Amino acid sequence: EPEVTQTPSHQVTQMGQEVILRCVPISNHLYFYWYRQILGQKVEFLVSFYNNEISEKSEIFDDQFSVERPDGSNFTLKIRSTKLEDSAMYFCASTGVQETQYFGPGTRLLVL
Amino acid sequence: QQQVKQSPQSLIVQKGGISIINCAYENTAFDYFPWYQQFPGKGPALLIAIRPDVSEKKEGRFTISFNKSAKQFSLHIMDSQPGDSATYFCAANDISNFGNEKLTFGTGTRLTIIP
Repeated sequence: EPEVTQTPSHQVTQMGQEVILRCVPISNHLYFYWYRQILGQKVEFLVSFYNNEISEKSEIFDDQFSVERPDGSNFTLKIRSTKLEDSAMYFCASTGVQETQYFGPGTRLLVL
Repeated sequence: QQQVKQSPQSLIVQKGGISIINCAYENTAFDYFPWYQQFPGKGPALLIAIRPDVSEKKEGRFTISFNKSAKQFSLHIMDSQPGDSATYFCAANDISNFGNEKLTFGTGTRLTIIP
């Protein structure tokens, strides 16, 4: 069964450093999303991406965040200058013509 | 108005019992209500979902009950098993808004099934 994959599974970084989280959505999907989950809390929407542009972003997704689909398969989330409060699990999701969003296994980001 | 309220925060059920988790929403534009199951260290996995044109959907031991007028929906797990122990999230979105169907999640319920 096709699945969303994410790399790396864990990332430790120093405050102020840039990180890039990578995702490979399911191949025929058209809509892509990033969510995050701070430990023990609910999953929160960050950004949605369709037709090579951002379709919606949350208030969390400020100027420090960016997304890109550099080729036909990858979907990346970049955090330019990480803060302590960016420590969370980051999930990529994708959906095709149906409504179901399929989530990847996540990247656990720890900012020190 | 975008919130989805979920209760209880945690739930302990005897093996073989019925687990019930409740959610409520306010945004009447929501038209798709999935439930996700999450095991520690894993991503949310779709368990079952419902559209508002039906009041109930059943898949195996899992049933969603939906009350459109009350803007509430619930997950029932029949014959609960230890393998069902996980965190369950209800969610909602407006799937008619193409390219913009962000999911709004509830706060999660940690379910523990005891022998």
